[in-house]
Amino acid sequence: QKEVEQNSGPLSVPEGAIASLNCTYSDRGSQSFFWYRQYSGKSPELIMSIYSNGDKEDGRFTAQLNKASQYVSLLIRDSQPSDSATYLCAVRNQGAQKLVFGQGTRLTINP
Amino acid sequence: GAVVSQHPSWVICKSGTSVKIECRSLDFQATTMFWYRQFPKQSLMLMATSNEGSKATYEQGVEKDKFLINHASLTLSTLTVTSAHPEDSSFYICSASEGTNEQYFGPGTRLTVT
Repeated sequence: QKEVEQNSGPLSVPEGAIASLNCTYSDRGSQSFFWYRQYSGKSPELIMSIYSNGDKEDGRFTAQLNKASQYVSLLIRDSQPSDSATYLCAVRNQGAQKLVFGQGTRLTINP
Repeated sequence: GAVVSQHPSWVICKSGTSVKIECRSLDFQATTMFWYRQFPKQSLMLMATSNEGSKATYEQGVEKDKFLINHASLTLSTLTVTSAHPEDSSFYICSASEGTNEQYFGPGTRLTVT
């Protein structure tokens, strides 16, 4: 079992709809969770960080964390073609410095 | 948000030569910096973690004598690819964090070895 798992996609969503990206992790001691967006040929860009159970909203983005079920998700409301990218889920385990990344989910927003 | 820069953004070198890539945190003190490599259509691969003033910790399978990492100050880390070969051609990306805060990525350096 991979430490951090994401559906690789591609996930296609019509413009204006909600895109839902999911991520599960195996280490129950994980404490910090991050979503990065990576456009083709570019480096990852931090979108959201979440540390406690529940929802965290920032503009059109909402991160949701459920530690009991060991999953973290990212919702993108009012999806735009510019949201088309690969979304990386990353987890920092307790006591660790490095992040463990999922394989990424490729998202395509269709106009 | 925090800004991390990398230089150069792309470099072409001949096989057998060495290449140095710089990573700088512009508006925060990067106590920890990370170096990644990414091949086309593949996921990020962590190469090493470096803490300011300490030797880097390399991931399994990464040759520390080939990929020299220096983190001499809180704003600068360098990666030197020694005796580069065509198989070292890749996208090299650094990231930086202050303490256990968020990790911010630089724009990456595309290395082509001919």
